[in-house]
Amino acid sequence: KAGVTQTPRYLIKTRGQQVTLSCSPISGHRSVSWYQQTPGQGLQFLFEYFSETQRNKGNFPGRFSGRQFSNSRSEMNVSTLELGDSALYLCASSLVAPGEGGTEAFFGQGTRLTVV
Amino acid sequence: KQEVTQIPAALSVPEGENLVLNCSFTDSAIYNLQWFRQDPGKGLTSLLLIQSSQREQTSGRLNASLDKSSGRSTLYIAASQPGDSATYLCAVRPAGSQGNLIFGKGTKLSVKP
Repeated sequence: KAGVTQTPRYLIKTRGQQVTLSCSPISGHRSVSWYQQTPGQGLQFLFEYFSETQRNKGNFPGRFSGRQFSNSRSEMNVSTLELGDSALYLCASSLVAPGEGGTEAFFGQGTRLTVV
Repeated sequence: KQEVTQIPAALSVPEGENLVLNCSFTDSAIYNLQWFRQDPGKGLTSLLLIQSSQREQTSGRLNASLDKSSGRSTLYIAASQPGDSATYLCAVRPAGSQGNLIFGKGTKLSVKP
């Protein structure tokens, strides 16, 4: 059974550019969440999607956005990149919808974004 | 606001030692607590999931306990090995519709041969 797949694994972008990251959840999982990990702040929640709908959003500026497709694959986009956006971006998939009880989260290997 | 704290931030032990990692959280209204392992530059590997109604879970040399009323969880690692060296993260899933995971900052474990 394939795990959570994130592409690309590494990205180098210039300030002001935009970037799109992709996440394919475990087959059958319909909930996808995104997290940002930095040395200073640790893991912070970005947003969560279920059945193509954003169900929850963390405290990040509007430059961070996402979407989910009918096959549950998800993308996140960051526009007008800043140096502080350099981080490891992690995607997690879960079997059930948020708020429907305790479900295990499975994470991908992440995308390492470096903004120069 | 739910906050998760992990103590210690770093731990170094000789191979073969049994050890305990601690995790505390401020709000007992949770669906579950999950322990993860993260190797440098890698993603998170799920180790154990404890539902709010459970007291403990075991997997091989790992045992995790949950005391929801006191807001505490421990991860016990028996007979540590150099391959156990990694950062261990605990996360809670708050009850209610806002079900995202809240993470601690992690404990960086080093097991010396």
